[in-house]
Amino acid sequence: KQEVTQIPAALSVPEGENLVLNCSFTDSAIYNLQWFRQDPGKGLTSLLLIQSSQREQTSGRLNASLDKSSGRSTLYIAASQPGDSATYLCAVMDTGGFKTIFGAGTRLFVKA
Amino acid sequence: EAGVTQSPTHLIKTRGQQVTLRCSPISGHTSVYWYQQALGLGLQFLLWYDEGEERNRGNFPPRFSGRQFPNYSSELNVNALELEDSALYLCASSSLRGVSYEQYFGPGTRLTVT
Repeated sequence: KQEVTQIPAALSVPEGENLVLNCSFTDSAIYNLQWFRQDPGKGLTSLLLIQSSQREQTSGRLNASLDKSSGRSTLYIAASQPGDSATYLCAVMDTGGFKTIFGAGTRLFVKA
Repeated sequence: EAGVTQSPTHLIKTRGQQVTLRCSPISGHTSVYWYQQALGLGLQFLLWYDEGEERNRGNFPPRFSGRQFPNYSSELNVNALELEDSALYLCASSSLRGVSYEQYFGPGTRLTVT
């Protein structure tokens, strides 16, 4: 059974700092891994998607990596800004029925 | 291009009642996924529809059901509402053409059961 874990659960950093969010999963049989951002009470915004054959994806100040063999992904945020404050969710889509399993999220607070 | 839309935005129901939530996918997407986000429980996979058929469901009782219409829009029905059904219900859509299967989410429906 696929399980997704995100560490840390919460993070508070000063503006301008570079930071890394971690995601681990137990079953490497995945189609993709997707990072999302969720603002309080809102839906999810897709940040980056890494297909199972890829190692990393970049978009602006964000870089996500995937190591399928070790069951790990990281989301790197460069030069953090107060507007980055949100909950970041990692999700894997497994190959056994397109079921998507989410981690519990990392709640990020960037102080001005 | 319009994103995933959901209706209604908010809903208040009483225990034992029934509710129907609606989702319209992005144009060209044939797959619709439903998720429940209850307080303190994270996002839980509910149902997956593709080409009008239910393809997979999560660990939810049969009173959670739905359907997908020929235009690929979808409904989620919840019967015999219980207090713990109070949650944000999120819908996502994707295309199964290509290889990415990237999911795009709607804004959600907030259901409160009293």
